[in-house]
Order: sequence, then C-alpha cells, then structure tokens
Amino acid sequence: ELVLTQYPGTLSLSPGERATLSCRASQSVASTYLAWYQQKPGQAPRLLIYGASNRATGIPDRFSGSASGTDFTLTISRLEPEDFAVYYCQQYGTSPPMYTFGQGTRLEIK
Amino acid sequence: LVQESGPGLVRPSGTLSLTCTVSGGSISNNKYWWTWVRQSPGKGLEWIGEIYHRGFTNYNPSFKSRVTISVDKSKNQFSLKLSSMTAADTAVYYCARGDSYNWNYWGQGTLVTVSS
Repeated sequence: ELVLTQYPGTLSLSPGERATLSCRASQSVASTYLAWYQQKPGQAPRLLIYGASNRATGIPDRFSGSASGTDFTLTISRLEPEDFAVYYCQQYGTSPPMYTFGQGTRLEIK
Repeated sequence: LVQESGPGLVRPSGTLSLTCTVSGGSISNNKYWWTWVRQSPGKGLEWIGEIYHRGFTNYNPSFKSRVTISVDKSKNQFSLKLSSMTAADTAVYYCARGDSYNWNYWGQGTLVTVSS
C-alpha cells in the first residue's frame, strides 16, 4: 500500500519568507498522480497543484511544485498572510486503484 | 458545484446515508469521477471511494466491506452509504468532483456524529 509521508509536521515562518514542504512516497509513483491541497479551518480543501507541478486555476504563481523520484515538493516563494494553513499531498495508486493523502504539514505564523 | 446533504447524527451500528447534489453541470459528463472523502475531528483527509456515472466504483479497502456509492443520473446526485457506524466514523464528510486524479470542486462538508 502506498504511503505518503509529509515533513515537517509543522513549519513556522514569517510572511515574506519562503516555504518548502515535502512529501515522500513509499514507492515509485507517476508525477501525473500527485496533487497538493491547502486547507484552512472550517473549509474544504482547495486544489493548488496537480500533476506534481501544474498550478490549478486561479492559484497564484508564488505556489510551485516539483518532483524528484519519490520526493515531491511544494514551494511558496514568498508567504502571504493568507497562506498559513494546513497542506496535504495526495497520490493516486493503481494497485489497487485508490487515493492516499499525506498526514499534512501545518504552516504557522512565526 | 457539489453539495452534501444528510443526517448529522447516526446511531452506533447504524448506516450513514449521504447525498451529493451536482449543480451547474451534468453528473454524466464523461470527464469526471465523483468522490467521497472524510476528515475526522482534528485529523487528516481520508478517501472513501468514487463512482463514474456509468456505475463503475472504486473503494478504499479500509471501507470496502461496509461502503456503497451509487449514482442517480435523473437527479444529478450520487450517494454514500456506510454501514456498521462507530464513534470512529465521526467526521466531516465531503463530496468532490474528480478530474485527472485530483479534485478541484468540493462541497462544504457535512459533520456526521455517531452517538446514541
């Protein structure tokens, strides 16, 4: 079974700083199947990145995604106050066909 | 848009029934799968399963023995049934529209509490 491990669990940064969030898959996965979501309290998740590096519609260009083997990274180039939230990576696996989420990274204001 | 509806309280050992109404488009659009995801209080996200308008389904093996997802094209709705509910099933349940292995449209979520 595919497992996604996100780190760090909590990231404390200040507005204007650069954030780097990581997601490691337990086995090889296609980048096509990797997405990132942002979730704020009391809200549904919001799709940020799909296919590991493609921004979803309406997502600011300070958000970017990349992949290297089984390691995936979400980068926020310059944090805005509204970016402080929980971020989840999500992967689709084919055997069996199912979706898995990482446990989340909480991005908090320092 | 998608919107969940259903009871907020389920008795232990009972069956949860939720409906997701799709608006602004047809549930029969060949591009999309329709998904249920849940989130236990203070916890992460957990995929439950998905359905295609032709009735094809995929389920999380963790739920497979007690979950059923169905579609009603005449009402532009899809539904979730989860049996043998316990306190561990207390969660916010979301429906979402799937496109190319991710979900870009989510309902607001509905809190389901399992309690006697």
